Amino acid sequence: QVQLQESGPGLVKPSGTLSLTCAVSGGSISSSNWWSWVRQPPGKGLEWIGEVYHSGTTNYNPSLKSRVTMSVDKSRNQFSLKLSSVTAADTAVYYCARDPSPVTRGWFDPWGQGILVTVSS
Amino acid sequence: QSVLTQPPSASGTPGQRVTISCSGSGSNIGSNYVYWYQQLPGTAPKLLMYRDNLRPSGVPDRFSGSKSGTSASLAISGLRSEDEGDYYCAAWDDSLTGVVFGGGTKLTVL
Repeated sequence: QVQLQESGPGLVKPSGTLSLTCAVSGGSISSSNWWSWVRQPPGKGLEWIGEVYHSGTTNYNPSLKSRVTMSVDKSRNQFSLKLSSVTAADTAVYYCARDPSPVTRGWFDPWGQGILVTVSS
Repeated sequence: QSVLTQPPSASGTPGQRVTISCSGSGSNIGSNYVYWYQQLPGTAPKLLMYRDNLRPSGVPDRFSGSKSGTSASLAISGLRSEDEGDYYCAAWDDSLTGVVFGGGTKLTVL
């Protein structure tokens, strides 16, 4: 079955850019799925960051849209997240997830294990 | 302030039935499917219910989902200690063009 694994720096400096990658195994990133990023600040709830389709089409959370870029690398079967101008408020566990339906959204299965990213100097 | 509203906490004793509500609006729950996620302590969220009331394979039939208008509910019957954790509802929002989550409900098994 499909498995997801996040990777990237665990520490990012304020005003810098957070860059994460999600490796997809057990399936193709070119299948009819949307690929999403969700984050969870320590002790708080879940926040959807955005999604990317294998064609490169994206949808972003309006509150983060000006700072977010998502892309797909078909050759490596992975997708990525870039969040610019980060502040301490961006400190969170970042999860990648697959939406198995190309039509309906909000259906995340599976999830990666998550990666804690701390924004600090 | 989350777009979907959930009670911050819920509790019950082993064997009891507990219900968690999720309130939204016409642009999200009222016109799109609702999904429920279970997050046990220290773990990633896990899909618990999809398309309002369907259980993924492996999820016990003690869990059930329902929806009416702009509100949805997750019911857990025969409560067990291993059900203790956080529960989130989610839905697509047509106005925001994105997925919105509830603030989460912390379930305690007394």
